[in-house]
Amino acid sequence: EKVMTQSPASLSVSPGERATLSCRASQSVSSNLAWYQQKPGQAPRLLMYGASIRATGIPARFSGSGSGTEFTLTISSLQSEDFAVYYCQQYNSWPLTFGGGTKVEIK
Amino acid sequence: EVQLVQSGAEVKKPGESLKISCKASGYSFTSYWIGWVRQMPGKGLEWVAIIYPGDSDSRSSPSFQGQVTISADRSISTAYLQWSSLRASDTAMYYCARYSGDYGFDSWGQGTLVTVSS
Repeated sequence: EKVMTQSPASLSVSPGERATLSCRASQSVSSNLAWYQQKPGQAPRLLMYGASIRATGIPARFSGSGSGTEFTLTISSLQSEDFAVYYCQQYNSWPLTFGGGTKVEIK
Repeated sequence: EVQLVQSGAEVKKPGESLKISCKASGYSFTSYWIGWVRQMPGKGLEWVAIIYPGDSDSRSSPSFQGQVTISADRSISTAYLQWSSLRASDTAMYYCARYSGDYGFDSWGQGTLVTVSS
């Protein structure tokens, strides 16, 4: 099983600032890595797939990078609607696995 | 528009059985995997199981193997997750989501809250 580890667990950022979230896989997942955003009381939403491809309707301030075992999600200028929990997930092999999440909070 | 509509919240006692559902629309039900994801109160996302309605191929997480059963009815474009004997530790929100090996989980249901309490 490929273990996904996200860091930090929480991040305090002021609106307009940049946020950088990390996700590490215990073994290579190639570029088969997705990021999801979850707001309180809502279902998760797909943000990125293929490590760096924005899903439909996702603003350009979200970008993803990495391959193999190290991945990064960057939010270039945080807006109020971006404060949420972010999860990475590998879909390179079964079992599918999620990271523990990073909570992005308002500073 | 892809839509996944899940059945309503459930309150059950330990030892009872339960089957929750996820009705899909807006796409070819038999052409995508559909999976279930658990979220315990205040916790993260955990993949439970997945099924390909086209041929009923299924997979499950080792953590949930033998604990739940996944199924699908192609005739009504609906996927199911069922338990034969619930435990208090099954209390959680369960989401269904459409899955593609190219995109991950690209569309999600609204969630079904399962509460197991004596």
